[in-house]
Amino acid sequence: DAKTTQPNSMESNEEEPVHLPCNHSTISGTDYIHWYRQLPSQGPEYVIHGLTSNVNNRMASLAIAEDRKSSTLILHRATLRDAAVYYCILRRDYGGSQGNLIFGKGTKLSVKP
Amino acid sequence: KAGVTQTPRYLIKTRGQQVTLSCSPISGHRSVSWYQQTPGQGLQFLFEYFSETQRNKGNFPGRFSGRQFSNSRSEMNVSTLELGDSALYLCASSLDVSVRSGANVLTFGAGSRLTVL
Repeated sequence: DAKTTQPNSMESNEEEPVHLPCNHSTISGTDYIHWYRQLPSQGPEYVIHGLTSNVNNRMASLAIAEDRKSSTLILHRATLRDAAVYYCILRRDYGGSQGNLIFGKGTKLSVKP
Repeated sequence: KAGVTQTPRYLIKTRGQQVTLSCSPISGHRSVSWYQQTPGQGLQFLFEYFSETQRNKGNFPGRFSGRQFSNSRSEMNVSTLELGDSALYLCASSLDVSVRSGANVLTFGAGSRLTVL
C-alpha cells in the first residue's frame, strides 16, 4: 500500500524555525499534499495543503519538491504549543481500500523552551 | 461554527459486546470518514460516506460497519468486540464533492476512546 514516510521524532528550540520532511514517492498526479497535527487527547487538526506550488498560511509554509515526491512543512517560529505529532497525508478522490487519505506514522515534534 | 462532534468520548466494553459510535459533522459537510488510531498501527482508514452512500471501505472485518443519515450524521458499529478493537475512533467531515475532492480540508472530531476488557 502507498504511504508517506516521516521521521519518527524531531526536536526544536522555542522561537526557532522547524523543517519537517515527508517523502511520498508513490504520489499520483491528482493527489493533494495535506499536513495535519495532533495534540494529546485531541483529533488531528488541519495545518496546510497544496498540490504543486509552495503554500503559505498563518500557521506554516509548505514547500513541495518539483517532482512532488517529497515536501517539507515549515514552522517559522516554533512555540511550545506547536509540540504535537505532525502527519503528512496524501489526499485523493477515490483511494479504494485505503480511502481517500494516504498517511504514515507521523513525526512527534518536541519544542524545548 | 460548531466543530465535528463525536459521542461518546469514552466508553468501556467487554469482549463480545457491541458498540455504536456517533459523529455529527460540521453543518453543510456531506462527507464523513472514520479512522481507527492505535499506538501500534497508527491511523487506519475504516470507511467513508458521502450523501448516505458508502464510498470507500478499509481493510477491516465485517464486524465493523457504518451508515450515514440524510442529515449527514454518521454512526459506526462494531459487533462482537475483541481486545484488539481498543482504540481511538476518529471521525472527520469535509465538504467533499466528487471532483477535486483532494483539495477539501478534513475537520476531525476529538474521537471516541474505546476500551475493550
